[in-house]
Amino acid sequence: ETGVTQTPRHLVMGMTNKKSLKCEQHLGHNAMYWYKQSAKKPLELMFVYNFKEQTENNSVPSRFSPECPNSSHLFLHLHTLQPEDSALYLCASSQVGGEAYNEQFFGPGTRLTVL
Amino acid sequence: QKEVEQNSGPLSVPEGAIASLNCTYSDRGSQSFFWYRQYSGKSPELIMFIYSNGDKEDGRFTAQLNKASQYVSLLIRDSQPSDSATYLCAVKMDAGNMLTFGGGTRLMVKP
Repeated sequence: ETGVTQTPRHLVMGMTNKKSLKCEQHLGHNAMYWYKQSAKKPLELMFVYNFKEQTENNSVPSRFSPECPNSSHLFLHLHTLQPEDSALYLCASSQVGGEAYNEQFFGPGTRLTVL
Repeated sequence: QKEVEQNSGPLSVPEGAIASLNCTYSDRGSQSFFWYRQYSGKSPELIMFIYSNGDKEDGRFTAQLNKASQYVSLLIRDSQPSDSATYLCAVKMDAGNMLTFGGGTRLMVKP
């Protein structure tokens, strides 16, 4: 595997379900991100993890719960979602600190539909 | 509120022409600037980044940065139909590692 991978690629869930999105980066980076991309809206940053520690929570509802067990893996746990949460969820990673300019590399995304 | 603005388009250019995509940002302290290409149904792909005033060239792509005027642009020379996509401008606005994205400009290159 190379780059940033995400599973599943597509997910359909009911409002009472609990599911998790998984992201893995194979780039040796030390920061990982969750973004939400809805139709006709800019990419919205949800969470930032630097060295496994959460450094940003961009006013995201508690029905989204991130987990970063190590610098290569990132999860987004979902529960009691609403239909308006249907979107493309993108994971990204980057190298921060030193000479790095924080170029972020994206995974393929999970297309989430909440019924 | 810190913002990144792009014309949503679509910007339509004929094949072989130069496509010019523009982006303005609100925070004068912004440090790094990125251009991403996103094909329909796909994730954003980094094309190039720039952090110093002036031009930076990479193949058919040239990024231009003017910090005094707070704009960054992307020129695509010899545009090809395969360049048809949405181009996202992203700005690193402070000492942290967060990027703020514009809404993107949809480019259509017609054969």
